[in-house]
Amino acid sequence: DTAVSQTPKYLVTQMGNDKSIKCEQNLGHDTMYWYKQDSKKFLKIMFSYNNKELIINETVPNRFSPKSPDKAHLNLHINSLELGDSAVYFCASSQGIPGELFFGEGSRLTVL
Amino acid sequence: AQTVTQSQPEMSVQEAETVTLSCTYDTSESDYYLFWYKQPPSRQMILVIRQEAYKQQNATENRFSVNFQKAAKSFSLKISDSQLGDAAMYFCAYRSVGNEKLTFGTGTRLTIIP
Repeated sequence: DTAVSQTPKYLVTQMGNDKSIKCEQNLGHDTMYWYKQDSKKFLKIMFSYNNKELIINETVPNRFSPKSPDKAHLNLHINSLELGDSAVYFCASSQGIPGELFFGEGSRLTVL
Repeated sequence: AQTVTQSQPEMSVQEAETVTLSCTYDTSESDYYLFWYKQPPSRQMILVIRQEAYKQQNATENRFSVNFQKAAKSFSLKISDSQLGDAAMYFCAYRSVGNEKLTFGTGTRLTIIP
């Protein structure tokens, strides 16, 4: 039973399209995150939600909009995709122990 | 802003030998947390070990241990008795107290030579 699951795992799309990545965690955690890993493997936080409330919003373009319908789900919607959005997007969750994040397997987005 | 630096993009070690991965960080805070995360080829990040800055004792988890030098702002990871399954990217990370944000280094790719 996967603790943090993301769908889709791979996504290939054209520039200008809109796409969504979904994330679900079954760990009962209150805090969820989106991280972006670029082609050089550099990981950077994008957003964090605690119990459906946005608590971290890094300098991310407005084209990226997270949505947390409940504390077990955190989705990422991206409008007007650009070439530079190509990356692996990781969802993660945590609870209790500072910095102990449980990551999903990542969603590789390729924008052509 | 905090920064985390991993100066070794790649390392390799013979199976069963010991290897040390380096990490330095920059912060003006006195209390914080440090981590090593592992990312195998499957992509999923896994926490390896965690250190609280107020603790002088170095953290240990089985074959993994750290050398935490607070004054030098250094946090290295030692892997003893290296195994083929240890092959992965290793990321050092920093977190302030009271802040959910993890700041990652650029990673070190570790290869295990059979």
